[in-house]
Amino acid sequence: NAGVTQTPKFQVLKTGQSMTLQCAQDMNHNSMYWYRQDPGMGLRLIYYSASEGTTDKGEVPNGYNVSRLNKREFSLRLESAAPSQTSVYFCASSEGQPGTYEQYFGPGTRLTVT
Amino acid sequence: AQSVTQLDSQVPVFEEAPVELRCNYSSSVSVYLFWYVQYPNQGLQLLLKYLSGSTLVESINGFEAEFNKSQTSFHLRKPSVHISDTAEYFCAVSSTGFQKLVFGTGTRLLVSP
Repeated sequence: NAGVTQTPKFQVLKTGQSMTLQCAQDMNHNSMYWYRQDPGMGLRLIYYSASEGTTDKGEVPNGYNVSRLNKREFSLRLESAAPSQTSVYFCASSEGQPGTYEQYFGPGTRLTVT
Repeated sequence: AQSVTQLDSQVPVFEEAPVELRCNYSSSVSVYLFWYVQYPNQGLQLLLKYLSGSTLVESINGFEAEFNKSQTSFHLRKPSVHISDTAEYFCAVSSTGFQKLVFGTGTRLLVSP
């Protein structure tokens, strides 16, 4: 039981390049989330998917797109990377709404945009 | 809108000393409150949560937090810390029907010998 897995662990991009961050969970959870973590700002929600087939914007969605490929997988795409997107990205999942269900986090992807 | 304030960005403490990490929230509805811990170079893990019932909740590794509705607080305490407690601690809030957790900015606990 791997929990939440993320690939890659590290990535360096040049400004304007695109990439997709992959996330998968094996806990049969309904809800999945993408956060970014920046020093002094805590975790900020980028996008979330309350259930398979649905996605919604979080606090900081600009510059990102997501796909809930199936119940297991939730990817985050940067179409044209900018230095402001340098951050650590975390994927998380929960059985249901985060109000009552624990969120399980992946190990993170450290992204640098030069 | 909901928000969480963690006033202390860093708390240095000596091993075996007590510690309190402060968390205040604002919400116009009933809340659920959480503390998550992040060890170096890892993702976040749930430490403890308050959903309803007893206002004092405990974790398996000796931390406890008390929900205080009148003070809108959910401070985290431990009577005697270990070196291994060195980590960043995040307070978070949600509520019924709310699809999202709102996190505070985190408090880095630094335990030294």
